[in-house]
Amino acid sequence: GNSVTQMEGPVTLSEEAFLTINCTYTATGYPSLFWYVQYPGEGLQLLLKATKADDKGSNKGFEATYRKETTSFHLEKGSVQVSDSAVYFCALTSNTGNQFYFGTGTSLTVIP
Amino acid sequence: EAGVTQFPSHSVIEKGQTVTLRCDPISGHDNLYWYRRVMGKEIKFLLHFVKESKQDESGMPNNRFLAERTGGTYSTLKVQPAELEDSGVYFCASSQETVSTYEQYFGPGTRLTVT
Repeated sequence: GNSVTQMEGPVTLSEEAFLTINCTYTATGYPSLFWYVQYPGEGLQLLLKATKADDKGSNKGFEATYRKETTSFHLEKGSVQVSDSAVYFCALTSNTGNQFYFGTGTSLTVIP
Repeated sequence: EAGVTQFPSHSVIEKGQTVTLRCDPISGHDNLYWYRRVMGKEIKFLLHFVKESKQDESGMPNNRFLAERTGGTYSTLKVQPAELEDSGVYFCASSQETVSTYEQYFGPGTRLTVT
């Protein structure tokens, strides 16, 4: 079946620190992989995606590489800002694309 | 372009009562999805509409949940009667396509608290 395992939170970092949020997946076929972000009081927003192996998704300084050999899609940012404080969800869609499979979410707080 | 909207943003009801959640997708999006996040756990799929038809309702937890999408525009999700374990955040999403590479656009969610 399809599932996503995501790093447990909460995570607290100082401004300008390096961020890694681990995400691994199990999927049948060739999934597409996504990171969604939920800022306080808002809905889920697409942060980045990758649709095939070795693709790198990037946006707003965040990056994640689709690693088929390790079934991973870890989220990274070199220097976090206070405004990055949010909950981050790793997700996949199967070949049929009818539904998303999400991880449990990782809450990130960045302190000045 | 307006995004996905959901109403209400927060609902507090007593066990045994009925609640109806509403979702308005992005105009022109035939695909509409409902998801739920129970406290601290993953966001789980409930069902998928294509226009007014239920394409996949495999995630609906039981027959106390009824989803409709009359006319293929907005959708409602009714919980009757509500139980304590129904508490959580209910998200609605819409998309133009069902191809796996396409993103779904999510609403802000409705936080349901059953006491």
